[in-house]
Amino acid sequence: EPEVTQTPSHQVTQMGQEVILRCVPISNHLYFYWYRQILGQKVEFLVSFYNNEISEKSEIFDDQFSVERPDGSNFTLKIRSTKLEDSAMYFCASTGTYGANVLTFGAGSRLTVL
Amino acid sequence: KNQVEQSPQSLIILEGKNCTLQCNYTVSPFSNLRWYKQDTGRGPVSLTIMTFSENTKSNGRYTATLDADTKQSSLHITASQLSDSASYICVVLSGNTPLVFGKGTRLSVIA
Repeated sequence: EPEVTQTPSHQVTQMGQEVILRCVPISNHLYFYWYRQILGQKVEFLVSFYNNEISEKSEIFDDQFSVERPDGSNFTLKIRSTKLEDSAMYFCASTGTYGANVLTFGAGSRLTVL
Repeated sequence: KNQVEQSPQSLIILEGKNCTLQCNYTVSPFSNLRWYKQDTGRGPVSLTIMTFSENTKSNGRYTATLDADTKQSSLHITASQLSDSASYICVVLSGNTPLVFGKGTRLSVIA
């Protein structure tokens, strides 16, 4: 069964450092998402991406965050200068069509900011 | 404000027993409701997706119900197994806005 693949599975970084989380969505999917889940809290929407541009973003997705699809397969989330409160699980998800179809989530990247 | 509330927050049951998890939502307009299973440290995995016109939908030992009038959904797990231990998340789609997630119910099945 097709999977959404995320790397790294766990990253530890110092506060203020830049971090790039990588995702390989399912190959024929068109809509891509990043979500995060702080430990013990609910999953929160960060950003959606379609047709090589951001289609929607939440209040969490401030100027420190950016997304990119550098080639035909990868979808990245960059945090420019990490803060302690950025520590969370970051989930990438993709779907073939917007809304009705089920999102397929990756296994997540755990980010720990020290 | 669009919200999804789940209860109970956590639940412990004996292997082989049944259980029911609840979800109340205030999301409007309503497009569909999904139940996801999330194992610890993993991404959510879809169990079922229900549209406005569907009252009941089953997926193996999982049966979801939806009452669009009262804006309530439930997930019933039959003959629980140790592998059912996970968080179960209710998620609602409203129009073209991002999915609204509940906090989840943490289910522990013990032998």
